[in-house]
Amino acid sequence: AQSVSQHNHHVILSEAASLELGCNYSYGGTVNLFWYVQYPGQHLQLLLKYFSGDPLVKGIKGFEAEFIKSKFSFNLRKPSVQWSDTAEYFCAVTGGVTGGGNKLTFGTGTQLKVEL
Amino acid sequence: GAGVSQSPSNKVTEKGKDVELRCDPISGHTALYWYRQSLGQGLEFLIYFQGNSAPDKSGLPSDRFSAERTGGSVSTLTIQRTQQEDSAVYLCASSLGIAVGNYEQYFGPGTRLTVT
Repeated sequence: AQSVSQHNHHVILSEAASLELGCNYSYGGTVNLFWYVQYPGQHLQLLLKYFSGDPLVKGIKGFEAEFIKSKFSFNLRKPSVQWSDTAEYFCAVTGGVTGGGNKLTFGTGTQLKVEL
Repeated sequence: GAGVSQSPSNKVTEKGKDVELRCDPISGHTALYWYRQSLGQGLEFLIYFQGNSAPDKSGLPSDRFSAERTGGSVSTLTIQRTQQEDSAVYLCASSLGIAVGNYEQYFGPGTRLTVT
């Protein structure tokens, strides 16, 4: 079955620092890739998504992610974080050679804390 | 417009009791998903409905779990004879469809279930 690995479980950064969160998935083929964010006390919200085309995708709030097919990776980046980016970030995948349809397979999440 | 709504927001139940959790998807969304978020297991897929097709139940952890979707809209997730390991936040999501471009899943606020 498809699986997703997020390598950083807890990240603490100072404001204006750059951010990169790693995400790797296990099975290739045609995949759709997502980053979701959960701010404290709020719903899961979509940050960005990749279906096809340009492997560098831009999302909301200055976030971007790069799909590298050869590395089975979809890392999330932001050049300069803000205190308001404090949240939990989830990488998720649908599809892959083992199928799985439209259900999202999530990584374990990365808790990001941005300090002033 | 209205997002995905879920009720109740919190449910405390005694071990062995049955519970029903409700999800109202976004109007016009044909696909509906249930996930659960727990400390030990992260975010896991449970079941998925798409239109009039047979649901994908591959994520249900045991036969104590069932779900139905009436009239292609509202869904109810039922857990029979609840166990303490069922304690989790149960999330519902909906999407416009299943074709590429319609994959984005919108999440509700969740129902926090505590089994005592």
